[in-house]
Parts: sequence; C-alpha cells; structure tokens
Amino acid sequence: SQQGEEDPQALSIQEGENATMNCSYKTSINNLQWYRQNSGRGLVHLILIRSNEREKHSGRLRVTLDTSKKSSSLLITASRAADTASYFCATDEAGGFKTIFGAGTRLFVKA
Amino acid sequence: GAVVSQHPSWVICKSGTSVKIECRSLDFQATTMFWYRQFPKQSLMLMATSNEGSKATYEQGVEKDKFLINHASLTLSTLTVTSAHPEDSSFYICSAGPLGGGATNEKLFFGSGTQLSVL
Repeated sequence: SQQGEEDPQALSIQEGENATMNCSYKTSINNLQWYRQNSGRGLVHLILIRSNEREKHSGRLRVTLDTSKKSSSLLITASRAADTASYFCATDEAGGFKTIFGAGTRLFVKA
Repeated sequence: GAVVSQHPSWVICKSGTSVKIECRSLDFQATTMFWYRQFPKQSLMLMATSNEGSKATYEQGVEKDKFLINHASLTLSTLTVTSAHPEDSSFYICSAGPLGGGATNEKLFFGSGTQLSVL
C-alpha cells in the first residue's frame, strides 16, 4: 500500500535555489518522516516530525506538518548539486509499526 | 546508531532460479522486520511484515508462495524470490527495529538494499 501523493514528481533547480517538496497522506499518523535516496542506493533518514509538531528544522532542512490537511512539506534551502536525489515522505499509517512511503520527488540540482 | 545489514547488494540470476536475500540487525534484536520492493523511478512498496517465529504477513497483491520469508531468529530475516522471472527484477530493501520502548516506526532502520536482475 502507499500512503499518498508527493508533488512535484520531479523538480529541477539551480544550485543555490530553494527546493520545496510536498507530501499528502491518507490516514491518521503519529509521525511523518522524510528520507533521501540516491540513485540505486539505500535510504538516508533526514528528519522526523511528530503529529503534535508543526515545524522542525535540521541544518538546511525545514519540515512542516499540517495534520488537518494531512500534508507535509520539505524545504531544502541553498541547494547544492549534492542534494540531487529522490526524496520520500513516510508515515506510520494510523500509528502502527509499519512505515508507508509516498510516491517521492526526484530533485535535480544543476551546478 | 543501529545498523541493518542486507546481503547481497546486487545479484544477477537466470530466469527460473531462486534467490535469497538476507537482512540482519547487527547490534540489536528485531522481532519484526519489513520487506519493500522498489521498481525504477518508483516508490518503495511494502511487501510483507516478517515476524520472528511466526508466519509473515503479506500485503495485498503480494504472492506469499513467490516471495518466501523466513524470520528464524531475532537478528535475521530472509526473503527468497522463488522461480524468479525478469518481471521480478527490482530493488529490495528491508527494515528492522529494536525491541522494547514500545513498537513504533520511529526506531526503524533500513538496509542498503539488494538490486536483483533476472535475465
């Protein structure tokens, strides 16, 4: 099963610009997590935001969560070519132990 | 932090053969492990939940006779793709979490994945 949609599906920006990715989900959650995946590689955990939090920062990352709209956004500021990867949101689907992933956004940062 | 080791990282096999992928939790015990499949440029789709000492729970549409899961110990789960065909070619990733502290997905760790190519 898959939780929901992410948009955009693909995003191409210049180095130094900000990149914003959005994620929507369907069920109630306890938390939402963002992961990064370089092509053909494993996942890197970026940040976790709990359902009672609205915003969280980690370095150049800023995540927001709107539980009333069942949506989240990931902002990467001052992007770098090395940020080129796919980004996935993931939730615990009704507070269970499983992690369910969104469709993902492919980000391409041009040097 | 906790580490999940997945082996092999890539495998090429002939159509009709079976392939076994291992997922190990290296420094913690995991009652539950999860197996995902990812096709190129797509998201990770949960295939099954692997429970130590009991039968795996498969997601809708996943053939349990095709994808055999064995979770014989608290540190090892295996996924066997039986009679593999080219359409089974995919990236397979496992995840596991430590026991205790309440069963939440906040403490899940992911393996590095296995790229399976069936010729």
